[in-house]
Amino acid sequence: DIQMTQSPFSLSASVGDKVTITCRASQSIDNYLNWYQQRPGKAPRLLICAASSLEGGVPSRFSGSGSGTHFSLTISSLQPEDFATYYCEQNYRTPWTFGQGTKVEI
Amino acid sequence: ELRLVQSGAEVKKPGESLRISCKASGYTFTNYWIGWVRQVPGKGLEWMGRIDPRDSYTNYSPSVQGHVTFSADKSITTAYLQWSSLKASDTAIYYCARYRSHYGSEAYYYYMDVWGKGTTVIVS
Repeated sequence: DIQMTQSPFSLSASVGDKVTITCRASQSIDNYLNWYQQRPGKAPRLLICAASSLEGGVPSRFSGSGSGTHFSLTISSLQPEDFATYYCEQNYRTPWTFGQGTKVEI
Repeated sequence: ELRLVQSGAEVKKPGESLRISCKASGYTFTNYWIGWVRQVPGKGLEWMGRIDPRDSYTNYSPSVQGHVTFSADKSITTAYLQWSSLKASDTAIYYCARYRSHYGSEAYYYYMDVWGKGTTVIVS
């Protein structure tokens, strides 16, 4: 199985901060990488697909980059509703796998 | 409106059987795969697998293969996740999600764009 490792495990930030979360794959996955946001008690929400394509309706402060084994999700100016847990997911090879999540806290 | 409506919470005993459902509406059910994702309380997301409602072709994660079964009923646009013998370790929230896809340079990209609210299963 392809292992996805996110860092950091959690981070503390303030409204207006720029935040970057990284995701590393145990082998190359080209750009078959999605990012999801999960707020407490809610279902996950798709933010970015194919490493850098913003899903419709997602604010432009979210951006994704990377290819191969290293990827990142950046929030340019953190808003109160962005405090959540973020997951990367590879869909290069089954079983598709998630990272362990990064919790963004105040 | 695109929706996936999941069945309600369940409390079962070890060894019992269970089937939970995921009712799709607002789109052509057979045009999109349905994926299942597990989340143990307080833990991360785990991909369980997916089913193609058009022909019921399935992919299972090795971690659940042989323990769960995915199915779909096109006539009522509903996907199912079932167990024949539950274990305490099946206690989790189970999400269904629709897979959208697009073709890239060499293959398809898949991503879960519409999610159900989750079904809580407690086995105790």
